[in-house]
Amino acid sequence: EAQVTQNPRYLITVTGKKLTVTCSQNMNHEYMSWYRQDPGLGLRQIYYSMNVEVTDKGDVPEGYKVSRKEKRNFPLILESPSPNQTSLYFCASSSSHYEQYFGPGTRLTVT
Amino acid sequence: AQKITQTQPGMFVQEKEAVTLDCTYDTSDQSYGLFWYKQPSSGEMIFLIYQGSYDEQNATEGRYSLNFQKARKSANLVISASQLGDSAMYFCAMREVGSSNTGKLIFGQGTTLQVKP
Repeated sequence: EAQVTQNPRYLITVTGKKLTVTCSQNMNHEYMSWYRQDPGLGLRQIYYSMNVEVTDKGDVPEGYKVSRKEKRNFPLILESPSPNQTSLYFCASSSSHYEQYFGPGTRLTVT
Repeated sequence: AQKITQTQPGMFVQEKEAVTLDCTYDTSDQSYGLFWYKQPSSGEMIFLIYQGSYDEQNATEGRYSLNFQKARKSANLVISASQLGDSAMYFCAMREVGSSNTGKLIFGQGTTLQVKP
């Protein structure tokens, strides 16, 4: 089954404690992205990757890091989380033109 | 700059009636794709329908159709015969697919649809 998986699905953490949200896709897609969703703002892209070892900033990259060492994996790293990073996070993957497949989402709360 | 605008924060529709969710977009690119996603209360993003900028016919997928008016830069979603399970947040999104393709989707703010029995 074609899918994007994210872990964890829910996470409550404290300010400053480094965390990683994993993302993996099994469709051999070149493009992968991370989005955050906040009320009234829709989804905004954090980082994207167009292939292995090719990553770039999206619209809201501050406070986040990513890596793309393998085609299937695209982890999101928060080195020092802050309360304003409390949000719903989605990983997505796609081929060159068509729809993006979204992961189930990760609800992150930073206290 | 690319932008998606959804002007209806919330909508109500009676069960079995049709409803139109509005979406306008702005882009200088000639080659782009328009998408609608559904987000139920459980949170996942469900792909509904896609329209390419060069497609001459409006896209349809079951009860969903996309009313694409290129000159007006609008891509409204029409849901026919609404069902209670259609109650959800709906997002319009756009992706440039030409030389500037980064895989990025630009999203609107979303429209919350509630279907009344």
